[in-house]
Amino acid sequence: ETGVTQSPTHLIKTRGQQVTLRCSSQSGHNTVSWYQQALGQGPQFIFQYYREEENGRGNFPPRFSGLQFPNYSSELNVNALELDDSALYLCASSLVSGTQETQYFGPGTRLLVL
Amino acid sequence: DQQVKQNSPSLSVQEGRISILNCDYTNSMFDYFLWYKKYPAEGPTFLISISSIKDKNEDGRFTVFLNKSAKHLSLHIVPSQPGDSAVYFCAASEIGDYKLSFGAGTTVTVRA
Repeated sequence: ETGVTQSPTHLIKTRGQQVTLRCSSQSGHNTVSWYQQALGQGPQFIFQYYREEENGRGNFPPRFSGLQFPNYSSELNVNALELDDSALYLCASSLVSGTQETQYFGPGTRLLVL
Repeated sequence: DQQVKQNSPSLSVQEGRISILNCDYTNSMFDYFLWYKKYPAEGPTFLISISSIKDKNEDGRFTVFLNKSAKHLSLHIVPSQPGDSAVYFCAASEIGDYKLSFGAGTTVTVRA
C-alpha cells in the first residue's frame, strides 16, 4: 500500500474527446509524476510537477497537460483523444529533498479510446 | 530511443531456486537504479534501488548488482517464492533529474 490513489480505475472514451484523470499523492510528498504504459511496454514519462509547477516533460504533445494542487492531489488532462492514447496511466509521488528519491506508484487508470 | 533494456521478456524458475533478472542501459548519466514489481491490475511496487556509487545492495531475499563499466545491472531473488510471480521493471534516473526511464519488463513465473 503506497498511499497513492487514482480515479477512475477504468474509462472508455471516443476519439476526439477530452479526459481528466486524478491522483492523490502520499501525504507530504511534494512531487508527482505521470507515466503512460502501453500494453507490453514499460511506463513512459509524461511530465512531473514539483510544488505545483511543471518540472520536466517527456516526449508527449501539448494536448497532454497537468495540474498539481496544494492538497497533494493532481490531474492529467488529455485533449483530442487519439486511438493510441489507449493505455494505463500511472501517477507516482515522491518527496524531493535534494537527493535521489524513490517514486511510489498508484494503481493506475486504464483508458480505452474507441 | 530505449535507454533501458530488459532483453528477456520472460523467466520461469522453480520455487526455492534463484531468479536472475538482467537489465542494460545506454545512458552514462544514469546514477540511480531501481527495480519495481508489478502484479496485474496494480501499479508498480518499489522493490530495491542502488546508487551508482555502490556495486551491490541487499534487502532480504533481493540483491541488486551494478556493473557501471558494462552498463549492466541485475536483480537476484533467492529463494524464489510463488508470490514473486509478477512483471519486474528496471528503471533508472539521471543526476538531478527525477524522471524514471523504464525497461519493457520481465515476466517471472515461479513454478511449484
